Amino acid sequence: QQQVKQSPQSLIVQKGGISIINCAYENTAFDYFPWYQQFPGKGPALLIAIRPDVSEKKEGRFTISFNKSAKQFSLHIMDSQPGDSATYFCAASRSGYSTLTFGKGTMLLVSP
Amino acid sequence: GAGVSQSPSNKVTEKGKDVELRCDPISGHTALYWYRQSLGQGLEFLIYFQGNSAPDKSGLPSDRFSAERTGGSVSTLTIQRTQQEDSAVYLCASSYTGTMNTGELFFGEGSRLTVL
Repeated sequence: QQQVKQSPQSLIVQKGGISIINCAYENTAFDYFPWYQQFPGKGPALLIAIRPDVSEKKEGRFTISFNKSAKQFSLHIMDSQPGDSATYFCAASRSGYSTLTFGKGTMLLVSP
Repeated sequence: GAGVSQSPSNKVTEKGKDVELRCDPISGHTALYWYRQSLGQGLEFLIYFQGNSAPDKSGLPSDRFSAERTGGSVSTLTIQRTQQEDSAVYLCASSYTGTMNTGELFFGEGSRLTVL
């Protein structure tokens, strides 16, 4: 059972454009929603995270939008740059449990 | 080093052989995780260690997989009688707290396993 569904699988955006990656979850007990960024040959690294008590969180060019009623959250990358080209994973977990459940990832390519 | 260290970075083995993958977490991190990354399959949870508690083995795909953590620090993931479907990147991560809604996971660069 896939508890976190991520789309699209891959994405090509022109430099300066907006990249949008979407995730949907099934378990209403989830209360922590991070996004991880992974460059080739490297391990994933935390990019930004949100909890369901807010609908949006912004850090620089990166914004998470959260819709609790729809059980969806998304990552927006404004003014996308070639250096943003990477694989992005959404994830979710619930209080008191140890494991993050990851989406299958989105390969983002920002063309110069 | 300051980060999570994994070895070997690459391992090629023949079907049926046993392999051991090592993880050295960040000093002071009490929680340690193993994930598997296969092409198109995202990050699959394997096992979790938190302090002296019994490990959460709920993600191990078969009894050919096992892991131990000695002295609350270094961990070894062992795959016995390797199969071609075991080919993947095995990622280790550590965190300061075992409570996932407060702890950031710090990942190593992974061990790429190829089973011929």
